[in-house]
Amino acid sequence: QKEVEQDPGPLSVPEGAIVSLNCTYSNSAFQYFMWYRQYSRKGPELLMYTYSSGNKEDGRFTAQVDKSSKYISLFIRDSQPSDSATYLCAFAGGTSYGKLTFGQGTILTVHP
Amino acid sequence: NAGVMQNPRHLVRRRGQEARLRCSPMKGHSHVYWYRQLPEEGLKFMVYLQKENIIDESGMPKERFSAEFPKEGPSILRIQQVVRGDSAAYFCASSLQPPTGLYTEAFFGQGTRLTVV
Repeated sequence: QKEVEQDPGPLSVPEGAIVSLNCTYSNSAFQYFMWYRQYSRKGPELLMYTYSSGNKEDGRFTAQVDKSSKYISLFIRDSQPSDSATYLCAFAGGTSYGKLTFGQGTILTVHP
Repeated sequence: NAGVMQNPRHLVRRRGQEARLRCSPMKGHSHVYWYRQLPEEGLKFMVYLQKENIIDESGMPKERFSAEFPKEGPSILRIQQVVRGDSAAYFCASSLQPPTGLYTEAFFGQGTRLTVV
């Protein structure tokens, strides 16, 4: 079983749609839960992070963590063409906080 | 304040040659991480370094790969005798504080795309 599972997509939605991105994980030692956005040929940039179960909002983005189910989600409201990118879930914790464990990434395209 | 700088952005090497990838962390950051992104795969951790120390190299291949972060100058990821399977994007990240239980954001560079021909 992989430590992190993320559907690679691709996901194509119309502008204005609500997007739901998901990851499951198996390592109970993970304590930090992150979402990164990566545009083509660029480095990843941190969108959101959280360390507790529940929801965290930041503008059009909501990160959701369910530790009991080992499941995290990212919701994007009112999606825009500029949101078109690869979204990577990432995890940290346990004995090595310096090491981030990433999902495969979901390719999202928002078309006008 | 410049971000994490990686160079070169693109590197082409023939099989058997050496590849040297450089990473200058953000100003004031003394913790550096290297990741590799293979086609169709996510980012995979390779190594975590502080100045003059390797902290965690659990993701480094046992042979041909080495990394350093000297007291002065950039961090270097060195790949000896490259093979086609080494073709990938290599990303460096840096953080301000040691990750000792409180999350500290790691900022990523733009990556070096290595192609082995």
